[in-house]
Amino acid sequence: NAGVTQTPKFRILKIGQSMTLQCTQDMNHNYMYWYRQDPGMGLKLIYYSVGAGITDKGEVPNGYNVSRSTTEDFPLRLELAAPSQTSVYFCASSTIGGANTEAFFGQGTRLTVV
Amino acid sequence: AQSVTQLDSQVPVFEEAPVELRCNYSSSVSVYLFWYVQYPNQGLQLLLKYLSGSTLVKSINGFEAEFNKSQTSFHLRKPSVHISDTAEYFCAVTSGGSNYKLTFGKGTLLTVNP
Repeated sequence: NAGVTQTPKFRILKIGQSMTLQCTQDMNHNYMYWYRQDPGMGLKLIYYSVGAGITDKGEVPNGYNVSRSTTEDFPLRLELAAPSQTSVYFCASSTIGGANTEAFFGQGTRLTVV
Repeated sequence: AQSVTQLDSQVPVFEEAPVELRCNYSSSVSVYLFWYVQYPNQGLQLLLKYLSGSTLVKSINGFEAEFNKSQTSFHLRKPSVHISDTAEYFCAVTSGGSNYKLTFGKGTLLTVNP
C-alpha cells in the first residue's frame, strides 16, 4: 500500500520558472491538502480539496494553483517561481468521520528557487 | 476560525525524565485533535488522536494526551523519554466548522540529551 506519493523529492528552480508538484494517494480519501513547511513556522495550508472537482484556498494560496480532476491526484502548480517559495512542501490525504479519521502525509518535496 | 498554539518552540530534557508538550486550540465547534511527530528529513506520522469518548488517549510508544474542553487544551506527555524521542512534534485540529481544514501549530522541537 503506497499511501501518499509525492514527486519530485527535490527540485531547484530559477526565478520565473514554473513547475508542478505531483501528489497521488491510493486510499480513496476525499480530503487532500497541500502544506508548506518553513523553519519555526510549522505547516501552513496552501490549498485543500474535499473531493474531486472541489478545491478551496488555505492560509497562503498566493502564487499557487491546484486542480482535483480525480479522487487520487491533487497536483500543485507554481506559475512564476519566486525565492519566497523556497520551502518544503507536503501533500496529505485524509478520511473524516469515524474511528479512522486521520491524515496521511507524503515524504515531502524540497524546493529551492534561485 | 480555528487555530492552534504550541506554547514551547523547543523543549530540552534529559533521558528518562518526564516531558509535557503544551497545545491549546481555538474552535467554536466540536473538534478532532491530533499529535503528529516528524523525524529529521521525513514526513509527518500520526502519534495519537482524540475524536470522541475518553478524554485520555495513548500511543503505542508511551505518549499520552488529555483533551480538556474547558481549557481548550490537548497537552502531550510522556513519563520517561528516550533519546529516540528526539523529533519535532506538531499539534493539529480539524472541525466541521472549518470544512475539515486541518490546522497545525508551529511545532515543538523535543531534544532528549543523554
